[in-house]
Amino acid sequence: AQTVTQSQPEMSVQEAETVTLSCTYDTSENNYYLFWYKQPPSRQMILVIRQEAYKQQNATENRFSVNFQKAAKSFSLKISDSQLGDTAMYFCAFMILSGTYKYIFGTGTRLKVLA
Amino acid sequence: SAVISQKPSRDICQRGTSLTIQCQVDSQVTMMFWYRQQPGQSLTLIATANQGSEATYESGFVIDKFPISRPNLTFSTLTVSNMSPEDSSIYLCSVEFQGGEQYFGPGTRLTVT
Repeated sequence: AQTVTQSQPEMSVQEAETVTLSCTYDTSENNYYLFWYKQPPSRQMILVIRQEAYKQQNATENRFSVNFQKAAKSFSLKISDSQLGDTAMYFCAFMILSGTYKYIFGTGTRLKVLA
Repeated sequence: SAVISQKPSRDICQRGTSLTIQCQVDSQVTMMFWYRQQPGQSLTLIATANQGSEATYESGFVIDKFPISRPNLTFSTLTVSNMSPEDSSIYLCSVEFQGGEQYFGPGTRLTVT
């Protein structure tokens, strides 16, 4: 069975600093996608970044980047130049390319950016 | 991306009653999903709803309790039947778009008294 683990329930970071959120997963599959989603207090889930497992290059989206270590089954999210608007719950998610498109979510990390 | 709306945004219901939640998408999508999220917790998939076929339910969720309709490629409903306080939660719909990415609705906050 596939599992996703986020070992940091809560984190805080000073505005303009950099923070890294951890995610590990377990699967015997070889073809899958990994995602980070952000859920602000307003509750709407927003896709932050996506990584295809077959790509060695780490995905980046502006201030957000990932460190994807396939052999270690690790997928961490780095937020640079943190902003107050980054305060949210962050979920790591995993999807096998089997046609069902079902996600498996981690338990989430609550990030608070401090002014 | 896709714009997804849900109705109602929140509701307070009495135990034993049913509530139907609507999910509307601004473009045609094949796969829609319904999730439940306890406040401050992760998301649990209830079922996958594809147009033209019966919904596929995850372990622990049954059609009698959570009937789903998917009449076309832009709309779906989830009904929470015979509600109890344990059904108090946030219910979210999502759609699969562009090769695996899911986009989520704003959620429906349900409180059962």
